[in-house]
Amino acid sequence: QQQVKQSPQSLIVQKGGISIINCAYENTAFDYFPWYQQFPGKGPALLIAIRPDVSEKKEGRFTISFNKSAKQFSLHIMDSQPGDSATYFCAASSYNQGGKLIFGQGTELSVKP
Amino acid sequence: NAGVMQNPRHLVRRRGQEARLRCSPVKGHSHVYWYRQLPEEGLKFMVYLQKENIIDESGMPKERFSAEFPKEGPSILRIQQVVRGDSAAYFCASSPLIPGDSPLHFGNGTRLTVT
Repeated sequence: QQQVKQSPQSLIVQKGGISIINCAYENTAFDYFPWYQQFPGKGPALLIAIRPDVSEKKEGRFTISFNKSAKQFSLHIMDSQPGDSATYFCAASSYNQGGKLIFGQGTELSVKP
Repeated sequence: NAGVMQNPRHLVRRRGQEARLRCSPVKGHSHVYWYRQLPEEGLKFMVYLQKENIIDESGMPKERFSAEFPKEGPSILRIQQVVRGDSAAYFCASSPLIPGDSPLHFGNGTRLTVT
């Protein structure tokens, strides 16, 4: 019940295209859903986050779509750039359960020029 | 503004030795989390500490692993009698409040290699 399942494992997108990464969860107590971006040799960095009281959040080229009834959320990267090539992790946490983040398995995104 | 500082960046240990990983959180952050990342895998939660207290250690192996976050000084993740399966990247993260109220800031990790 603590798992967060992420897909696809890897993704290749042409420059200017849309990258879409999906996550699903089981624990209905989760109330915070961030996405992290990780470059090789670096730690994960927060990209964007959403709470279940909204269905969509947009920051620049990055959008989170959230479907509470389906227990799914996704990251959309519009106008993907080679500099977006990195590993992306979705995560979820529950405030009432101590706030520890449970991460998905990660998606390695490669944006081709 | 210094972020989360982890050292060493790389650590090589022979089987049976001890590994000590240090983490200095962002100044003013009292919540520290340790995660382990195996090659081609996501980040696995290990332990959550606040100053001088272990809040949640549900992800820590029962033997050989321990963590502390003393009143003064960095948080330490200690692995005794290391085995090859301990080879991984270990990340520390900190926040001023419980995640959800504030973002989690990660360090660049310590890459442990057990030979």
